[in-house]
Amino acid sequence: DGGITQSPKYLFRKEGQNVTLSCEQNLNHDAMYWYRQDPGQGLRLIYYSQIVNDFQKGDIAEGYSVSREKKESFPLTVTSAQKNPTAFYLCATEPRWGYGYTFGSGTRLTVV
Amino acid sequence: SQQGEEDPQALSIQEGENATMNCSYKTSINNLQWYRQNSGRGLVHLILIRSNEREKHSGRLRVTLDTSKKSSSLLITASRAADTASYFCATDVAAGNMLTFGGGTRLMVKP
Repeated sequence: DGGITQSPKYLFRKEGQNVTLSCEQNLNHDAMYWYRQDPGQGLRLIYYSQIVNDFQKGDIAEGYSVSREKKESFPLTVTSAQKNPTAFYLCATEPRWGYGYTFGSGTRLTVV
Repeated sequence: SQQGEEDPQALSIQEGENATMNCSYKTSINNLQWYRQNSGRGLVHLILIRSNEREKHSGRLRVTLDTSKKSSSLLITASRAADTASYFCATDVAAGNMLTFGGGTRLMVKP
């Protein structure tokens, strides 16, 4: 099955902890994106990567970090510097510009 | 502020009726896309319309784009209960740029 796998589906973080959200794709798409969605809201861009070993900050990158060591993988770390991390996190890919995104099923992060 | 703004924020209709959602944006675009999101799930790409196109169809979906008014509309004809979801427009303002999403329209189709 070709697609995007996000894991875990649910994640709980204690205050002061760093947590890492996984995003893996076997679509052979170059571009990968991380978005955050708050309840009843649209999506806001955190980070994106258009090629391996390169990534750029989005609109709300503070408190987050990423890596892109392999084409298939684009993990997102939510650091303790992110003061309000409770949200739904979505990973997306795009084969090349202008063809539409394919989204994963999301990770719901809750601070406990 | 968001590039795209959907209107209405929420829409409730009966099965079989048509549903129309609108999207307005602020800056010139290369293309505009519509996505659907079922509750608690990822988004699904529905249709993409380029800036030099005025109308596109896909099954029961019809999208129009008016670049002079910086607006787009999504029409779902003969709606079904399974169309219940949130619908988002997203704009691509330059080559190689990422999409900017609006706040969405929550559609409820009552059986």
